[in-house]
Amino acid sequence: GAVVSQHPSWVICKSGTSVKIECRSLDFQATTMFWYRQFPKQSLMLMATSNEGSKATYEQGVEKDKFLINHASLTLSTLTVTSAHPEDSSFYICSALAPTDTQYFGPGTRLTVL
Amino acid sequence: AQSVTQLDSHVSVSEGTPVLLRCNYSSSYSPSLFWYVQHPNKGLQLLLKYTSAATLVKGINGFEAEFKKSETSFHLTKPSAHMSDAAEYFCVVIGSNSGYALNFGKGTSLLVTP
Repeated sequence: GAVVSQHPSWVICKSGTSVKIECRSLDFQATTMFWYRQFPKQSLMLMATSNEGSKATYEQGVEKDKFLINHASLTLSTLTVTSAHPEDSSFYICSALAPTDTQYFGPGTRLTVL
Repeated sequence: AQSVTQLDSHVSVSEGTPVLLRCNYSSSYSPSLFWYVQHPNKGLQLLLKYTSAATLVKGINGFEAEFKKSETSFHLTKPSAHMSDAAEYFCVVIGSNSGYALNFGKGTSLLVTP
């Protein structure tokens, strides 16, 4: 089946620093990728839709200047959390839309901001 | 916007007994519905999807779901639970008629006891 990877799987950073998370579709091309956030014991909340070669579309309430998304190729989207603060600590999950119109999810990245 | 409601936050069954995870949907048009499973420290895995073809959808690992328009339901079932089925299950709907962004239910935690 289709595989989506994320890197890193876990990152710890100091408050005020920036963190980049990568999402790759390994065996298919994805013109559209999505970024979700999941708090402990809660469901996934869509943050933004990432389209290759164009600007990301952010959901209401998500700060686009804080969560920078770049979809530079058909297999890679990146999420950069800028000037991270402890409240940004969360589990970030990406998904990639396969040509079959099915979304395949990455394993997630756990961000801890000290 | 399209949405789903998972009626139980926790379900506990004995190994070998049937599983029923309930989900109701709200949609102004024929929805595309999914069930995903999330095991601890693993990525989300697609169990099955409904896209207006057969109302009874068979998925992986013996799971199936039936789309009932009259009841606006899409319940997930399995005849006999296995210990490895213990996980978090999400009922999901495509959020709009013009894209592929997913709206997740709050999740149902399935516990399987020996």
